[in-house]
Amino acid sequence: AQSVAQPEDQVNVAEGNPLTVKCTYSVSGNPYLFWYVQYPNRGLQFLLKYITGDNLVKGSYGFEAEFNKSQTSFHLKKPSALVSDSALYFCAVSSGGGGNKLTFGTGTQLKVEL
Amino acid sequence: NAGVTQTPKFRILKIGQSMTLQCTQDMNHNYMYWYRQDPGMGLKLIYYSVGAGITDKGEVPNGYNVSRSTTEDFPLRLELAAPSQTSVYFCASNLRGAATNEKLFFGSGTQLSVL
Repeated sequence: AQSVAQPEDQVNVAEGNPLTVKCTYSVSGNPYLFWYVQYPNRGLQFLLKYITGDNLVKGSYGFEAEFNKSQTSFHLKKPSALVSDSALYFCAVSSGGGGNKLTFGTGTQLKVEL
Repeated sequence: NAGVTQTPKFRILKIGQSMTLQCTQDMNHNYMYWYRQDPGMGLKLIYYSVGAGITDKGEVPNGYNVSRSTTEDFPLRLELAAPSQTSVYFCASNLRGAATNEKLFFGSGTQLSVL
């Protein structure tokens, strides 16, 4: 069975500082990994994805994520946080092995303060 | 291009009432999904459809029904509402399925309270 863990319910950072939102996964075979963002009273929006290739993936709004196969992690990063980045972030994984199994993490609330 | 449209945005039901959550997409996507989001629990798949006339259960289907008569529409039906169905419901779609490298497109959600 595949699974995703987001160990932090909330991450607080000061504006201008770098941010990291952690994600680890478990899946059989090669993973497809995603980050989605949810702003208040809105649906989830796609940020970025890892398929194969470069371990550093760049996405929307200046976000990037680093894939680490040995640590089975896919941490979301941004060099300089903005107050407008405050939102709920979800990591998700699928194995591409058929069916429609896409597993989401429990989400991490990011709060960026002035 | 409207994307995925859900109605209503908010609804309060009494225990035992029924209702239908509407979902429409205009991207000609084959796959459509219903998720529920509970605090601290992430998203759980209720039902999904791989095309018109074909639906299948997800992780948490009990108490819900769906139909897919057209490519565009994927309504979710609650027959006998229970407090455990208080949640935020999201409809999503994509072309090739969730277990692929393709992203999902989400609606803005329906917040449902059952009292």
